[in-house]
Amino acid sequence: KQEVTQIPAALSVPEGENLVLNCSFTDSAIYNLQWFRQDPGKGLTSLLLIQSSQREQTSGRLNASLDKSSGRSTLYIAASQPGDSATYLCAVSRGYGGATNKLIFGTGTLLAVQP
Amino acid sequence: NAGVTQTPKFQVLKTGQSMTLQCAQDMNHEYMSWYRQDPGMGLRLIHYSVGAGITDQGEVPNGYNVSRSTTEDFPLRLLSAAPSQTSVYFCASSYSTGTLRTEAFFGQGTRLTVV
Repeated sequence: KQEVTQIPAALSVPEGENLVLNCSFTDSAIYNLQWFRQDPGKGLTSLLLIQSSQREQTSGRLNASLDKSSGRSTLYIAASQPGDSATYLCAVSRGYGGATNKLIFGTGTLLAVQP
Repeated sequence: NAGVTQTPKFQVLKTGQSMTLQCAQDMNHEYMSWYRQDPGMGLRLIHYSVGAGITDQGEVPNGYNVSRSTTEDFPLRLLSAAPSQTSVYFCASSYSTGTLRTEAFFGQGTRLTVV
C-alpha cells in the first residue's frame, strides 16, 4: 500500500531564508507527483507537477525534484516571504489504466514565515 | 474559466439526514473524484469516475454514493449523515493522455458538520 510521508510537520523560518520541504513515498510505481499549497479554510492550489519521467520542475521561486528510485521529492522555496505561509501538501498519482488518477496525499507541512 | 465549482461551501446536517454535495467542472476533464480531509489524516479518496456513466470506490466509500450522468457534473450523496462524516469535502478533476496524467484541479471545498 502506498504511503506518503512529509517531514517536518511544521516549520517556522525568518523571512528571506531558503527552505526545503520533504516528501517520501513507499511505492515507486507512480504516474506523477504534485505539490499543493493550502491556505487556512481554503482549497488546494497546484504548485508544481512532476511526471514520473522527469527529475525536477521549476516555477518562479519554487523548485521541486523527484527521485523515484529512492521514493523522495523535495520542494525548495527560495527567499521565503510571509505570503508563503501555508500548508504544503504533496501527493503521488497512481492508477491502473484508463484515466484513473488516484492521489495519495501526505499530511502536509505547515510553514510559517516570520517577517 | 471557473475550473471546479463546489456547492454549498458550508452545511450543517442533523444525524440521519441526507444531502447532495454538488461538483461541476468546465474543463472537459474525464476524471473526477471526491476526497475528504480530516485533521491528522490527510486527504482520502471517497469515490472517483473515469467518465460519464463510470464510477468506482476509493479508500473510504461507506456512507456515500455517486453518479456521473454528464462529463461536467459529479455529485456526492450522503445517504444518512453520521457525526463521523463531519469533514471538509473536496472535488477534483484532471485528464489523461496515454500514461501522462495532468495536474489535478481542486474545488474550494464544502465544510460539512453533522450534529
